[in-house]
Amino acid sequence: AQSVTQPDIHITVSEGASLELRCNYSYGATPYLFWYVQSPGQGLQLLLKYFSGDTLVQGIKGFEAEFKRSQSSFNLRKPSVHWSDAAEYFCAVGPNRDDKIIFGKGTRLHILP
Amino acid sequence: NAGVMQNPRHLVRRRGQEARLRCSPMKGHSHVYWYRQLPEEGLKFMVYLQKENIIDESGMPKERFSAEFPKEGPSILRIQQVVRGDSAAYFCASSADNNQPQHFGDGTRLSIL
Repeated sequence: AQSVTQPDIHITVSEGASLELRCNYSYGATPYLFWYVQSPGQGLQLLLKYFSGDTLVQGIKGFEAEFKRSQSSFNLRKPSVHWSDAAEYFCAVGPNRDDKIIFGKGTRLHILP
Repeated sequence: NAGVMQNPRHLVRRRGQEARLRCSPMKGHSHVYWYRQLPEEGLKFMVYLQKENIIDESGMPKERFSAEFPKEGPSILRIQQVVRGDSAAYFCASSADNNQPQHFGDGTRLSIL
């Protein structure tokens, strides 16, 4: 079955520290992979996506993610977080033939001053 | 406990016709978000509504598109005089409040002939 797992429900890091949010997927074919951010009161915003080619993708706001087929992972990273990065982050895979997007349950990022 | 229900699952329209997409949020949710996914793109935010109010429509095209979330009944995304470029998958999400995770429906695939 197709699925997306974000093993960390909450993560707390200090401002200026590096960040890595984990995402593992189960998918029958080469997936389309996405990371989204949700700030309170706002819709989802696409951070970055991977379809093919270079496995290290750059996104907005200084984020990057690396597709590792052997590990079925697509972890999100940022070298130095800012207080404004505090939000909920969602990893997603799809669409499949039925156009269904599969989301992970999200990771809530907290930033310490 | 039913999730977010979108109907129809697939909708075919001819150019110039109107398309109506429906979204019933999860029980107890009063916040609704609409997204559009174009082929090989991620989700793009369109509009955020609460009961009888549009909170943020910054992602809505200026013409032909409208959305409502009446006091009773589902949220409706309405596209008038559809064109080929409107072909996409439209996803709806709901949440209990603006600080809670969004739950997504399975989407409506709109095809324009």
